[in-house]
Amino acid sequence: EVQLVESGGGLVQPGRSLRLSCAASGFTFDDYAMHWVRQAPGKGLEWVSGISWNSGSIGYADSVKGRFTISRDNAKNSLYLQMNSLRAEDTALYYCAKDMGLHLGELSPGSYMDVWGKGTTVTVSS
Amino acid sequence: SYVLTQPPSVSVAPGQTARITCGGNNIGSKSVHWYQQKPGQAPVLVVYDDSDRPSGIPERFSGSNSGNTATLTISRVEAGDEADYYCQVWDSSSDHNYVFGTGTKVTVL
Repeated sequence: EVQLVESGGGLVQPGRSLRLSCAASGFTFDDYAMHWVRQAPGKGLEWVSGISWNSGSIGYADSVKGRFTISRDNAKNSLYLQMNSLRAEDTALYYCAKDMGLHLGELSPGSYMDVWGKGTTVTVSS
Repeated sequence: SYVLTQPPSVSVAPGQTARITCGGNNIGSKSVHWYQQKPGQAPVLVVYDDSDRPSGIPERFSGSNSGNTATLTISRVEAGDEADYYCQVWDSSSDHNYVFGTGTKVTVL
């Protein structure tokens, strides 16, 4: 069974840092690009960041660029999101999602998220 | 940046057809994907590449895309279809930018 399990969320003060992890199983992790998507309380989905299979291609939403860093360890079947300089508006449920598209493993036109984890909650508050 | 506009809500009686629109500039030139999210759950892919269904998704879910509007159609609506629905595209005007629609709450009367 394909599974994604996020961890690392919690309550953090503004300006501090947090690192999220996503453990993947049930598929060949290093064949696929991966994403982080977040959802603020009562709001819609917002793409945060994506990374290609070999970390050669990385993208960020403008709202997190320069503060968040996505990475992956294919040997550990894990995806990470390092979040620095956190703000109240970063408060959200953070989902890890597996990419699927025409160009397997790459961040490419037409790609989408075919498997999602259950998410981990990040609350930024003093 | 590219904007995808959806109606906030759609109401439909059981057994009827629900149509959820996703508006964007020349969206017909892009591949559109749709996600269903039930309360307290993670999103689930229900349609990809405008009109294809992942395995396990009922044939009642279908999609179309042309001009400036993509549409997700749910036929013979059931109580279990009550959820939020989001469209999504890849925006070529930005570097690696994945865009979600504003979301539509489908209520089964």
